[in-house]
Amino acid sequence: AQSVTQLGSHVSVSEGALVLLRCNYSSSVPPYLFWYVQYPNQGLQLLLKYTSAATLVKGINGFEAEFKKSETSFHLTKPSAHMSDAAEYFCAVSDYLDSSYKLIFGSGTRLLVRP
Amino acid sequence: GAGVSQSPSNKVTEKGKDVELRCDPISGHTALYWYRQSLGQGLEFLIYFQGNSAPDKSGLPSDRFSAERTGGSVSTLTIQRTQQEDSAVYLCASSLLRLAGGGILDEQFFGPGTRLTVL
Repeated sequence: AQSVTQLGSHVSVSEGALVLLRCNYSSSVPPYLFWYVQYPNQGLQLLLKYTSAATLVKGINGFEAEFKKSETSFHLTKPSAHMSDAAEYFCAVSDYLDSSYKLIFGSGTRLLVRP
Repeated sequence: GAGVSQSPSNKVTEKGKDVELRCDPISGHTALYWYRQSLGQGLEFLIYFQGNSAPDKSGLPSDRFSAERTGGSVSTLTIQRTQQEDSAVYLCASSLLRLAGGGILDEQFFGPGTRLTVL
């Protein structure tokens, strides 16, 4: 079965600094991977997704992620943090087994941006 | 176009009462999912619908939880005899369902959630 691990429940960066949120996955088949962002009191919004077309995926709001099969990783980065990036970020892997389709989520990383 | 909507946005109930949570998916999305988000448990899958059928109910925590979908559109999640541990945010999502060997290609679009508090 697929699984996702997000290292660091909280990450704090200064405004303008690099953002790096870590995600490692476990999958017995080529994975489809997603990063979602959740702002306070809102639902989840897709940032980007990997579906094997390209290993470097660009998303909204200046975020990107690189799929590294050898490291089973899909880390999320942004060159320069903005105050509006403060939110919770979830990495997810698509799970398909016996006609069941769902997303398996990591535990989430809360990003804090210091002025 | 309209996104996924959920109602109510907040629900406070007393222990032992039944509650119904509603989800209106994006028009044309054949797949619908319910998740639960609670402190300490993260995001948990509850149930998946393809059309009006639910091939996977494995995430429902107990037989107090049930869900249905009618007309391939609206879904209702029902919790009977609510308990305090049911307090959480219940999220609904919908998607087209293009598949590849490894799973779902299409993103799931999430609603804003229903915050359930059981006193």
